[in-house]
Amino acid sequence: QVQLRQSGPGLVKPSQTLSLTCAISGDSVSSGSAAWNWIRQSPSRGLEWLGRTYYRSKWYYEYPVSVKGRVTIDPDTSKNQFSLQLNSMIPEDTAVYYCSRETWIRGAYYGVDVWGQGTTVTVSS
Amino acid sequence: QSVLTQPPSASGTPGQRVTISCSGSSSNIGTNTVNWYRQFPGTAPQLVIYNINQRPSGVPDRFSGSKSATSASLAISGLQSEDEADYYCASWDDSLKGRVFGTGTKVTVL
Repeated sequence: QVQLRQSGPGLVKPSQTLSLTCAISGDSVSSGSAAWNWIRQSPSRGLEWLGRTYYRSKWYYEYPVSVKGRVTIDPDTSKNQFSLQLNSMIPEDTAVYYCSRETWIRGAYYGVDVWGQGTTVTVSS
Repeated sequence: QSVLTQPPSASGTPGQRVTISCSGSSSNIGTNTVNWYRQFPGTAPQLVIYNINQRPSGVPDRFSGSKSATSASLAISGLQSEDEADYYCASWDDSLKGRVFGTGTKVTVL
């Protein structure tokens, strides 16, 4: 059974950088049939995709335009985990942050089938 | 900020059929597959429909999905009290080059 365990602070000051980590058990961050995502959710913005990383002979990184330049998602193969860094935090970045796994089955897209427990992040001085 | 539009609420009595719509565009639903997620309060979303109309293992056949042009729908037949939750559609947007989600629909069992 695949599980994702998130860790990181729940309170970040404005202009600082948010750093969250997602530890993977039951799968590999280097899996050729998975992608590792960060998604956040807030009442004002709903569910918002923050980007993903995946390995297909080399590492790929994809980010939405809305946070590009502020966000970095990095895999750590030695610890079988991946991380999120979001810099220049503002109050509007207050949200529940989820790490998650996307899966392809026999080459066909399946969906986001495993989620972390969520981290409530508040941006406040 | 959500790219896909859903009605904010839907309701029905036990045993009834409820349908939730998801409106997108040619760059997302019109071109790519659609998934549906269910979310109970205080928990992460769960996949209930993938590839437009396929059910993951463990999801009852009361749940069904469809797609037409740039819109998709989720139907719940034989509504039960445990179906009360928030439901979100999701797709990939080729113009934005990213995963996009619906605005969410709260299903209430009267």
